[in-house]
Amino acid sequence: QQQVKQSPQSLIVQKGGISIINCAYENTAFDYFPWYQQFPGKGPALLIAIRPDVSEKKEGRFTISFNKSAKQFSLHIMDSQPGDSATYFCAASTASKLTFGTGTRLQVTL
Amino acid sequence: KAGVTQTPRYLIKTRGQQVTLSCSPISGHRSVSWYQQTPGQGLQFLFEYFSETQRNKGNFPGRFSGRQFSNSRSEMNVSTLELGDSALYLCASSYQRQGGNEQFFGPGTRLTVL
Repeated sequence: QQQVKQSPQSLIVQKGGISIINCAYENTAFDYFPWYQQFPGKGPALLIAIRPDVSEKKEGRFTISFNKSAKQFSLHIMDSQPGDSATYFCAASTASKLTFGTGTRLQVTL
Repeated sequence: KAGVTQTPRYLIKTRGQQVTLSCSPISGHRSVSWYQQTPGQGLQFLFEYFSETQRNKGNFPGRFSGRQFSNSRSEMNVSTLELGDSALYLCASSYQRQGGNEQFFGPGTRLTVL
């Protein structure tokens, strides 16, 4: 049973554009929602995270929007750059166990 | 502060063999979790250790086991390897302070089973 659904599977955005990745979860016990960025041959790197008592969190060009009632959260990457080209994973956590989405491969073109 | 380190980075084994992977967490981190990453199943949680005790376990067969030492370093073992065990095995460490459970991943060990 997939508890965290992520979309889209792949995304192509022009340089300077906004990249938006969406996730939905089922388990209301989840209490922590991080986003990870992974480059080929590397481990996932923590990008930004949010807790369910907050509706939005912004760090630089990265923003998480969280809708607790809809059980959805999303990552917005403003002013997308070619260096942002990577695979992005949303995750949800309870009791230190991370449940990951299936990943979104982002390509930022010049 | 040094990040999470994993050794070895690459391993090739044959079916039926066993393998041991090692993980050194970030200094001061007491929780170590292991994940398996494959193209088909994505990132899946294996288990978590905290203060030398397994605190959480995913849905993997008993061939997958782990342990944590007093210095928080952790090892995972896979016995009787199967072709389907070929994957990137990732270790993540966390400080586990109250209200915070950020997990930081190592580069992984790429296991190929022939």
